[in-house]
Amino acid sequence: DAKTTQPNSMESNEEEPVHLPCNHSTISGTDYIHWYRQLPSQGPEYVIHGLTSNVNNRMASLAIAEDRKSSTLILHRATLRDAAVYYCILRDLKTSYDKVIFGPGTSLSVIP
Amino acid sequence: SAVISQKPSRDICQRGTSLTIQCQVDSQVTMMFWYRQQPGQSLTLIATANQGSEATYESGFVIDKFPISRPNLTFSTLTVSNLSPEDSSIYLCSVVGADRGSYNEQFFGPGTRLTVL
Repeated sequence: DAKTTQPNSMESNEEEPVHLPCNHSTISGTDYIHWYRQLPSQGPEYVIHGLTSNVNNRMASLAIAEDRKSSTLILHRATLRDAAVYYCILRDLKTSYDKVIFGPGTSLSVIP
Repeated sequence: SAVISQKPSRDICQRGTSLTIQCQVDSQVTMMFWYRQQPGQSLTLIATANQGSEATYESGFVIDKFPISRPNLTFSTLTVSNLSPEDSSIYLCSVVGADRGSYNEQFFGPGTRLTVL
């Protein structure tokens, strides 16, 4: 799997938007960008994924750079429940049944 | 979606003993994975377990230390053998959900917290 780079930690105030960046300069044409998050004392959970176009779902939005070498996970209004470690992961479509390999992720703190 | 349960949720074990962790999924799945999460760290993949074949271990993990069983499509066990304090971690079971074309969501169990004294 191609490598991703994320900041170790970020802080946000409650009810403000949060932009979590991810760099993936070696991304290949068949790599999907996935985001998972791990809430305290829980296993990771899927958040969102995309290939080229920006994506929205009920949890978050994913903005993908035109050259696909970076992406940003956007939480529109951070809540205390969003405090978690967020993982940006590349998964090749050809091996999409393969395991998820986790990097260090970004630890998000939400301040009341 | 896939709902995963693990037993035990936590345990405290003595050095030199073994712990077997059970993973039960509410649907049939082809691929199951076992991860380890050391304190304050990210998840590290231990092995991939497919039903009917030997588990495939990642670099740094060996079958003698982490034997895995996969007797059917909804169940797997991971044994952590000859325990040492360095094995104190959270162990998580994971499965890949149904093929959705562009992605295959991976689901995770709640984890088993192991403390070795």
